[in-house]
Formats: sequence, structure tokens, C-alpha cells
Amino acid sequence: SQQGEEDPQALSIQEGENATMNCSYKTSINNLQWYRQNSGRGLVHLILIRSNEREKHSGRLRVTLDTSKKSSSLLITASRAADTASYFCATVLSGGYQKVTFGTGTKLQVIP
Amino acid sequence: DVKVTQSSRYLVKRTGEKVFLECVQDMDHENMFWYRQDPGLGLRLIYFSYDVKMKEKGDIPEGYSVSREKKERFSLILESASTNQTSMYLCASSPWDRRSGDGYTFGSGTRLTVV
Repeated sequence: SQQGEEDPQALSIQEGENATMNCSYKTSINNLQWYRQNSGRGLVHLILIRSNEREKHSGRLRVTLDTSKKSSSLLITASRAADTASYFCATVLSGGYQKVTFGTGTKLQVIP
Repeated sequence: DVKVTQSSRYLVKRTGEKVFLECVQDMDHENMFWYRQDPGLGLRLIYFSYDVKMKEKGDIPEGYSVSREKKERFSLILESASTNQTSMYLCASSPWDRRSGDGYTFGSGTRLTVV
């Protein structure tokens, strides 16, 4: 089964609104990452948050991590039509090689 | 611009054929990975490699093998292609140092259809 599970599976918002996606995972992690995938293309790394961090910002992106609840959220502020894509969380487990396990993704549609 | 290059964007092969998917990275990364992506199942790890000539099975290695003879190249081999291997295949690389904040760099993907 997947380590990370995103919620919701699909999200549709108007341009200018904020979009929030959530990710839950099952076991202790070294770090958690968020990726974007435009239709039919490869994934693009957005942001990485380590297990000892609680919040991180990058431009219009804000990521939070709650290790006690084993969950993370990705907030995209002031969304644009170009943000339309699928978003995946990915976890790197503690110990072992740097193997990343992906969730099934949230499909975001931003309506102009 | 650093990148991961997958040799084919689209590929159509016949059942039973031996299929090679090639991936090359120019970032001098130690780790390389092959995933397949299917609707509703997300990305599933097939194989990964953390050094030349080294390989580790991922979550779904059955029906696949890999080769890493040079640091920059990681090949995925379908020994005898079957229709259930029709999928999007994604290659990725990353530096060994887990303190890196860069995550994975992905190729554009190869959409393989087995008929």
C-alpha cells in the first residue's frame, strides 16, 4: 500500500483562491516532499520539508508538517490557471537508502 | 540546464518483445530510479540504483530488470513485454547526500503501449 495518501483526490477552484492539499503517511520519515505533474509529463520537485521542521515557504507555496499526526499540507496561495496539475506528496523513510515513496496525488483544476 | 533524459516519449511494442527503456542524467547523481505510473495507483517503484553496477528491487520488480554500467545511464529492461506492462515509465535521479534539499529530478516519461 502507498506510504502517502493525498486528500482530496480532486480539487477545483477559481483563479485567485487558495488551494490546500493534505497528505497522510504511515511510518516515521526523514523528510517529505511535494511534486507537481503537468498532464502526461514528468514530475517537478516543489519543496522538501525535513522531519524536524514544522513549516516551510517557497514563493506562493506553504508546506506544514505534523509528525505527531503523520500528516502534511500544501497550500498554494493566489492560484493561477498555470497551477492546474496533479500534486503528489512523497516520503523518504528514516534509515536505509534514499528511497522515495509517492502517494496517488491530488488533481487540481484552477478555473480562469 | 540540468536534466534527466528518457530516450523515447512514446513507444509501441508487441507482446513477447524485449524492450529497453534508456535514461541518462547529466548531474553526476549517485541514485537513479525507475517508476511506473498508472491511473489510481500513483507512482510505484520498480528498481533503483545507488551506484554503478548496483541495483535494488523496488515494490514491483517482477517482469523487469535493470542495468547500470555507467553512472549517468540507467536502463530498464522488459524481458518479455506483456499487455499489463502498458504504462507511463518515469526515470528519476537524486544525489546520494540525503541532506540535499533538491529532491528528485524526473525525466519527461516514456508512455509504453504493449499490443
